[in-house]
Amino acid sequence: SQLAEENSWALSVHEGESVTVNCSYKTSITALQWYRQKSGKGPAQLILIRSNEREKRNGRLRATLDTSSQSSSLSITATRCEDTAVYFCATPHAGAKLTFGGGTRLTVRP
Amino acid sequence: AQTIHQWPVAEIKAVGSPLSLGCTIKGKSSPNLYWYWQATGGTLQQLFYSITVGQVESVVQLNLSASRPKDDQFILSTEKLLLSHSGFYLCAWSRTVSGNTLYFGEGSRLIVV
Repeated sequence: SQLAEENSWALSVHEGESVTVNCSYKTSITALQWYRQKSGKGPAQLILIRSNEREKRNGRLRATLDTSSQSSSLSITATRCEDTAVYFCATPHAGAKLTFGGGTRLTVRP
Repeated sequence: AQTIHQWPVAEIKAVGSPLSLGCTIKGKSSPNLYWYWQATGGTLQQLFYSITVGQVESVVQLNLSASRPKDDQFILSTEKLLLSHSGFYLCAWSRTVSGNTLYFGEGSRLIVV
């Protein structure tokens, strides 16, 4: 099983709505990262949240981290069509390994 | 500013044929380099990483090999392609190896027929 997993395979919202993607992980971590991958492109990091942080914001994005329940969430407010992408959480492990979850496919409809 | 370039953008290759994918990073000396593989609609699976020239560590064995002939270059190759090698190959770099941000290239799409 994966060390990090998003909890939904796909989500769909209308433009302007808010949406939350959730992630659970299995081991103790120093930080958790959220990436976005648009179709046919490489992923780009959205937020890196460290284990001593509970919340981190980047514009319309807000990430939370709960180390007690080993879970994280990424919320997007006022969604736009260009937010349509696959969202991954990723956790670091020994040996320079960054493990990605299975991804949540978000579709924002006009 | 750092830039990362992958080549080729896409390839269609026959089973049993050789493969070479490349990646070049400009604007960053001594980057940590990574190769990831992604099946269509799937997650990203780390294949290799390299901390320095000539040194490559394997994370997953998929009948592929990697080399770092120069500080700014990372090569992924195999002598005999399998159908299972089809997918999207992504090169990435980071400043450190301990859970730091990965900066990905645009990827190389491979179809093995």
